[in-house]
Amino acid sequence: NAGVTQTPKFRILKIGQSMTLQCTQDMNHNYMYWYRQDPGMGLKLIYYSVGAGITDKGEVPNGYNVSRSTTEDFPLRLELAAPSQTSVYFCASSSNTGELFFGEGSRLTVL
Amino acid sequence: RKEVEQDPGPFNVPEGATVAFNCTYSNSASQSFFWYRQDCRKEPKLLMSVYSSGNEDGRFTAQLNRASQYISLLIRDSKLSDSATYLCVVPHNDMRFGAGTRLTVKP
Repeated sequence: NAGVTQTPKFRILKIGQSMTLQCTQDMNHNYMYWYRQDPGMGLKLIYYSVGAGITDKGEVPNGYNVSRSTTEDFPLRLELAAPSQTSVYFCASSSNTGELFFGEGSRLTVL
Repeated sequence: RKEVEQDPGPFNVPEGATVAFNCTYSNSASQSFFWYRQDCRKEPKLLMSVYSSGNEDGRFTAQLNRASQYISLLIRDSKLSDSATYLCVVPHNDMRFGAGTRLTVKP
């Protein structure tokens, strides 16, 4: 009963490095989302996808890229890590009712 | 007007108190609404869904006012364990959250 799985859970990056946060769901949901949450703040939508092959920008897409080649996977790529990208990243998928199912989060620190 | 706006809080209440938060939304076509609870450094978890006028689950009541475009969350007999941030979501393609309302229940 996996639901939404994110990896890695923790990561420290140096400025300028790149990395990919992985997200996979086993509920056959069409909709998937990436959020970031800075300390003491709300969730900000980075990118979302309404189905395989379709992605769109959210509120804060700069510095990130996504792809959706399959229904299950929605990886988030950081190309040139910056200290401003230090945050907790949550991936989520949603059912047709609109209910969101979240991964446990990935904590990223850029030094 | 933002898609979703919440009472900014924070709310600090004693145990046993009744507390209510509001969430206003801009998309009048929305048919479903959700309240999530988020504990510190954890992922949000579904608390209640609202599809018609309201929903009740134990000490928690969610109400929908379509005319004024807001949903409310009422917590009766607050417990220490209710301390968390409460988030509302009005489903749309890009699924944006309100900023959240922080609740602290004190002994």
